Amino acid sequence: EAGVVQSPRYKIIEKKQPVAFWCNPISGHNTLYWYLQNLGQGPELLIRYENEEAVDDSQLPKDRFSAERLKGVDSTLKIQPAELGDSAVYLCASSPPQNTGELFFGEGSRLTVL
Amino acid sequence: QKEVEQDPGPLSVPEGAIVSLNCTYSNSAFQYFMWYRQYSRKGPELLMYTYSSGNKEDGRFTAQVDKSSKYISLFIRDSQPSDSATYLCAMSAGAQKLVFGQGTRLTINP
Repeated sequence: EAGVVQSPRYKIIEKKQPVAFWCNPISGHNTLYWYLQNLGQGPELLIRYENEEAVDDSQLPKDRFSAERLKGVDSTLKIQPAELGDSAVYLCASSPPQNTGELFFGEGSRLTVL
Repeated sequence: QKEVEQDPGPLSVPEGAIVSLNCTYSNSAFQYFMWYRQYSRKGPELLMYTYSSGNKEDGRFTAQVDKSSKYISLFIRDSQPSDSATYLCAMSAGAQKLVFGQGTRLTINP
């Protein structure tokens, strides 16, 4: 069974440029999460989707960040414009409908803003 | 004060040693407690899962939860170099909204 797939793995951009990250969750997992992980820190939730509905986006900086999950499967996280402080790893995770609390994480997209 | 506190280490021990990793928390509503392991440049993966208080053992790993003290622990027996990773505690009141600790970076020296 394929795991959570994220792309790109690495991205280097200049500040003020836009960037987008893509996530394909495990088949059948209706809950999808985007987490932010700064160096030496634990993951912090940005947004959680139940199917195509964003049920928790309270920590998403909406002035520059946006996300979508069309058709309740793949998801895209966008930053526009990027700032130096956005340099971090963006992790996507999914969990199945029965949801025991176990999250399945992708390998992350590492963003460097210069 | 953060909801979940975890000593970031780093922690370095010789192979075969018993390792103890700990987290404290402030939210008494937390009832799901997890430990995730994260290798360098990889995503976290679930290692141990405990609901409410008590102990859970899985091979060389034992997770303990003391809700009265708001304290959780992970013990690794007979530690191996392959256990070298960052260990993240995570907890939630509902099963979906996890709050992670900072992570403890562990190195097992051969």
